[in-house]
Amino acid sequence: DSGVTQTPKHLITATGQRVTLRCSPRSGDLSVYWYQQSLDQGLQFLIQYYNGEERAKGNILERFSAQQFPDLHSELNLSSLELGDSALYFCASSPNVGRPNTGELFFGEGSRLTVL
Amino acid sequence: AQTVTQSQPEMSVQEAETVTLSCTYDTSESDYYLFWYKQPPSRQMILVIRQEAYKQQNATENRFSVNFQKAAKSFSLKISDSQLGDAAMYFCAYNTNAGKSTFGDGTTLTVKP
Repeated sequence: DSGVTQTPKHLITATGQRVTLRCSPRSGDLSVYWYQQSLDQGLQFLIQYYNGEERAKGNILERFSAQQFPDLHSELNLSSLELGDSALYFCASSPNVGRPNTGELFFGEGSRLTVL
Repeated sequence: AQTVTQSQPEMSVQEAETVTLSCTYDTSESDYYLFWYKQPPSRQMILVIRQEAYKQQNATENRFSVNFQKAAKSFSLKISDSQLGDAAMYFCAYNTNAGKSTFGDGTTLTVKP
């Protein structure tokens, strides 16, 4: 158990709909990362938050948005869903406060989104 | 920008044999971390091994060891005495103290009985 909790684990929805994925990082971790993994593909970095502020942005579509709340949990919002958005969405957390920061990302189990 | 390259999309190894997965990276940072993650069919991301760039000694975790060549920006993973449970996709990853994280595209490892 990595200590990172993602909900829901599975989600099936229709094209055009909007969903919200939730992530609770490990206790004390300030950074949250979101990744998208399509079937048999690598990890596509979407966005990173650090202590409530956006730190880095990757290949995140304009239809997607995220935020990190004061309690450090994060939500990834996906709107106007398309078939191609079907994927496994990972959240990961990391301390990111310098040494003894190990640099390791702790991953949740992922949220599997299916768009029909 | 940092990049991580895994040049072997697929590798296979006979059970009990040794296999090496390659990874190269590009960075202008002097202090960073390197990792190998394993993703079995369950899709859970599992940390296999980590290496701090400031350490010259190669990291080892049981049957897993790395060959870290900082000047060449190379970070390969050696799996000794391969087991059926080692079959998975392996990702090489890079991270900085500032939290900039980059993953390679992955190498799918097949273990033949």
